[in-house]
Amino acid sequence: NAGVMQNPRHLVRRRGQEARLRCSPMKGHSHVYWYRQLPEEGLKFMVYLQKENIIDESGMPKERFSAEFPKEGPSILRIQQVVRGDSAAYFCASSPDRRSGNTIYFGEGSWLTVV
Amino acid sequence: DQQVKQNSPSLSVQEGRISILNCDYTNSMFDYFLWYKKYPAEGPTFLISISSIKDKNEDGRFTVFLNKSAKHLSLHIVPSQPGDSAVYFCAASPEYGNKLVFGAGTILRVKS
Repeated sequence: NAGVMQNPRHLVRRRGQEARLRCSPMKGHSHVYWYRQLPEEGLKFMVYLQKENIIDESGMPKERFSAEFPKEGPSILRIQQVVRGDSAAYFCASSPDRRSGNTIYFGEGSWLTVV
Repeated sequence: DQQVKQNSPSLSVQEGRISILNCDYTNSMFDYFLWYKKYPAEGPTFLISISSIKDKNEDGRFTVFLNKSAKHLSLHIVPSQPGDSAVYFCAASPEYGNKLVFGAGTILRVKS
């Protein structure tokens, strides 16, 4: 499967714990995006990364959230000291580059539940 | 500030008929528009897109129409099939491949 791979698919964390969500982009894609979908809402942009660079993090909450896309390995969205309001579906997407067209392809999502 | 709006939360259509899903936007800087389909517990799947220099794009049963002056686009599905039942999201982008802005989605139910 050459699609965008996300893991874990489901994650349960207690309040105050850390959550780490991983995303491997499609083969040949060097641009990664993270989106969050709260219940009954559309997807909201969080962050846009290229290898080793954060291009746009305007949608990231200012505290507790961070993202990285290292030279080797998957992109990671990290949420520290989770709260109930962090419970959501987190979707990763990837594209080859900004010039190849606007279509970005999504992974299956990671569902975070904070109890 | 909702820059992309899908005002119909749900739509029910008979199998074989046309489904029309609507989307309005407010940001005149958007120049690329996409439709995604999403099943429960899955990621969004790309359906069709349109550049602002066009007013229509067709792909099989799916056609997207763009009215720039009205800041309105629509997705037509003809003929509708039960497998089309899903949530449909309209998305817009101000530049290539970056920071899609999504509508809240429309639930389409195709009855057989």
